[in-house]
Amino acid sequence: LAKTTQPISMDSYEGQEVNITCSHNNIATNDYITWYQQFPSQGPRFIIQGYKTKVTNEVASLFIPADRKSSTLSLPRVSLSDTAVYYCLVGDTRGNEKLTFGTGTRLTIIP
Amino acid sequence: DGGITQSPKYLFRKEGQNVTLSCEQNLNHDAMYWYRQDPGQGLRLIYYSQIVNDFQKGDIAEGYSVSREKKESFPLTVTSAQKNPTAFYLCASSIRLGSGNTIYFGEGSWLTVV
Repeated sequence: LAKTTQPISMDSYEGQEVNITCSHNNIATNDYITWYQQFPSQGPRFIIQGYKTKVTNEVASLFIPADRKSSTLSLPRVSLSDTAVYYCLVGDTRGNEKLTFGTGTRLTIIP
Repeated sequence: DGGITQSPKYLFRKEGQNVTLSCEQNLNHDAMYWYRQDPGQGLRLIYYSQIVNDFQKGDIAEGYSVSREKKESFPLTVTSAQKNPTAFYLCASSIRLGSGNTIYFGEGSWLTVV
C-alpha cells in the first residue's frame, strides 16, 4: 500500500475553489487513487477515484500528473457543508494489503 | 436498500464486561473491516477479513476479537482486556481487498465505558 501524505488541515471561505493535494511517491503501476469524505460521527464516503490525468464527477475533480506521484482533489465553490475530513488512499484492486487510512485533511469552510 | 448496518448506534459498557458490535452487509462483498476512531483522530484498523472463515489482525487488534462465519456478517467483540475502549467504531466492506476498490462504511457505533 503506497504511503500517502496530506496536509493536516486547511481553511477556506465559502464560494472558493479548494484544492487538497496528496503525495504518494511510491505509487505502483496498478494503483488507483481514491478520495473519501467524512463528516463527524459518520463513516467516510467515496468521493472520486482516478488512475491518471483528470476525472470529474458531480461533486469534485481529481487531477493526476503524468508521473502520478501526487494527486489533487478539487472542490468547486465550497459551502459550509463541505466542512469535513478528506482522506486519500492509493492501492490496487487485488492487493492483499490491509486498508489503512491516514489522519486525512481537516477542511474548514469559513462563512 | 443495499448497504452496511451497524448496531447498536450507542452502547454503554461497565468496566470488565465484554460487548459485541454487530455489522451486517447485503452488498455481497468478500472483504470486511473494523476501524476505531477516537475524537479528532483518523481511522485505525482493528481487524479485517477477505473471505468467510478468515480474518487478520490490523494495527490495534489487542483486546478485540472477531468472527466471520457468514459472508454478510462480521461482529466485533470488545473484551475486558481492551483498556480504553471508549471510541467510535466503524464497520466497512469492499468487493475484495485492495484499496483500489470502493470501501463502503456503516453509520458507526459509539461505545462508552462507564
